[in-house]
Amino acid sequence: DADVTQTPRNRITKTGKRIMLECSQTKGHDRMYWYRQDPGLGLRLIYYSFDVKDINKGEISDGYSVSRQAQAKFSLSLESAIPNQTALYFCATSDLENTEAFFGQGTRLTVV
Amino acid sequence: QKEVEQNSGPLSVPEGAIASLNCTYSDRVSQSFFWYRQYSGKSPELIMSIYSNGDKEDGRFTAQLNKASQYVSLLIRDSQPSDSATYLCAVNGIGAGNMLTFGGGTRLMVKP
Repeated sequence: DADVTQTPRNRITKTGKRIMLECSQTKGHDRMYWYRQDPGLGLRLIYYSFDVKDINKGEISDGYSVSRQAQAKFSLSLESAIPNQTALYFCATSDLENTEAFFGQGTRLTVV
Repeated sequence: QKEVEQNSGPLSVPEGAIASLNCTYSDRVSQSFFWYRQYSGKSPELIMSIYSNGDKEDGRFTAQLNKASQYVSLLIRDSQPSDSATYLCAVNGIGAGNMLTFGGGTRLMVKP
């Protein structure tokens, strides 16, 4: 089983719908992140959480919200999806001492 | 000005040649530097980390760090078609909380 698991892996949704992307990890890391990647572009940070009670906005948080339900779970929500939120979404984790990030398999989201 | 800069490419090299990928960063206090490889539609995977000035070798990969000039590079010797991917440079310490900041990635194409 993967250390960082994202569900769903693929999703097509309609404009205006609410959708939640889920991430769970078994690495025991305190830090979790949500990134977005558009074709030909790098990773852009949406939200990050350093522990259950600490949630912070990244560079592109507008239109998104998150919930850190437990150390192992970090969910990303699109309250009212729009087509320009069509992208590949990655969840990642890291610990305090070693800042390398471990990524989930990604969720390909299409908003039509 | 972007905080971590990479040439987007594509960088095309013949099979067996050395591929040289470069990255510059803006934050002088950055301490940890990483290279990730990402195949199309897949999640990034860590291939090299480097923390001090100089070279670090791992198999066909060599990471080079020059903190005074604020650049980090990745050399791939004996390039293979399977090395064709996008390579992401990541630097910690930029922004709050010792997080990773990613460059836009360089697409490498190794031609048989």
